[in-house]
Amino acid sequence: DAGVIQSPRHEVTEMGQEVTLRCKPISGHDYLFWYRQTMMRGLELLIYFNNNVPIDDSGMPEDRFSAKMPNASFSTLKIQPSEPRDSAVYFCASSTRRDRGLGSPLHFGNGTRLTVT
Amino acid sequence: AQKITQTQPGMFVQEKEAVTLDCTYDTSDPSYGLFWYKQPSSGEMIFLIYQGSYDQQNATEGRYSLNFQKARKSANLVISASQLGDSAMYFCAMRDFNTGKLIFGQGTTLQVKP
Repeated sequence: DAGVIQSPRHEVTEMGQEVTLRCKPISGHDYLFWYRQTMMRGLELLIYFNNNVPIDDSGMPEDRFSAKMPNASFSTLKIQPSEPRDSAVYFCASSTRRDRGLGSPLHFGNGTRLTVT
Repeated sequence: AQKITQTQPGMFVQEKEAVTLDCTYDTSDPSYGLFWYKQPSSGEMIFLIYQGSYDQQNATEGRYSLNFQKARKSANLVISASQLGDSAMYFCAMRDFNTGKLIFGQGTTLQVKP
């Protein structure tokens, strides 16, 4: 059973460029989360989806960030234009209500390390 | 609003000893879940243990146990018989069962000394 797949693993870009991070959740999972991890701010929830619908995007830093989930097997997080302060590790995670309902754990991808110079 | 707090930025423990990592939370909802994750230096997030707000017994998973004190709103992780491989960052997380939202604490770095 493939886990959550994120791409790319590493991204280095220049300030002002558009960056797109991709995530494929585990098949059958109905929740998808995007988190950002930095030393200063820890693991911040950016946005999450339930059945492909965005439920809470209050953690998205500003209008430069956008996320979509066009179908159950794919999500993107886009930053346009990127800035050096966006440098972080971005994690995607998915979960299902099977077994324990919302007590089922989130399964994380390996993250995308973004560096904006 | 939900809040989750880990007050210990770093902890040391001697190999084979037990260690407790603290986690307190705040929520007005009666229905929620608490999770602990481990993040080794390689960066992956590894699920360790879960406790539901209505669970009567404290959760245990191998060497991990969760000391759940609902009235005090604390969910401390206890690692027994520490091993060198336990050196990692540990995150406490809370899930709101009304919304499905899951947030993390700031994390605690644990170092196990030989």
